Amino acid sequence: SAVISQKPSRDICQRGTSLTIQCQVDSQVTMMFWYRQQPGQSLTLIATANQGSEATYESGFVIDKFPISRPNLTFSTLTVSNMSPEDSSIYLCSVDRGLYNEQFFGPGTRLTVL
Amino acid sequence: QQPVQSPQAVILREGEDAVINCSSSKALYSVHWYRQKHGEAPVFLMILLKGGEQKGHEKISASFNEKKQQSSLYLTASQLSYSGTYFCGTAKKTSYDKVIFGPGTSLSVIP
Repeated sequence: SAVISQKPSRDICQRGTSLTIQCQVDSQVTMMFWYRQQPGQSLTLIATANQGSEATYESGFVIDKFPISRPNLTFSTLTVSNMSPEDSSIYLCSVDRGLYNEQFFGPGTRLTVL
Repeated sequence: QQPVQSPQAVILREGEDAVINCSSSKALYSVHWYRQKHGEAPVFLMILLKGGEQKGHEKISASFNEKKQQSSLYLTASQLSYSGTYFCGTAKKTSYDKVIFGPGTSLSVIP
């Protein structure tokens, strides 16, 4: 398993601003993932972040809106840029720590955009 | 492509059994099962691999039919602690690959 922390745990932001979410893992991991989960919905993958390379974004998500950094093997950030109320959601990071890419999730960041 | 889950929701009394199904239109190499309780992050339950065995976790077990690209999660003698939303996830490779999650099945166990 893995111990994963996220900051902030929740935030309320104004439209048009940006928020950076941090994800810290207790040990080195190759792949980190960022998901979005809207209330009562499933987990939607935003992007995959590998250390030393550009993040790979899923269809419907772009780097200008969700820039990601992965400066080392234990840390990543996701920025939600130029926010609108539609960005209100829970953002979760996860890591692939198992032998067969089992996902272990951070506690999530609950974002509300007014 | 997102896998399909059924049923969408189920309500059980303690001690009853339930089956949650997951299917995909694409070839699968692994199927994951996770449980998420309200206000918490999803928690990994088990993984089934192509060509692998049926896995078990407490009174929760699962199967994987590779030909039909389907997996089923079996919850026997359900307990109140089993309540939550169950997600299946699929991956095209057995390691270092992203997991795509199904829409989830809400399970409520009542006394």
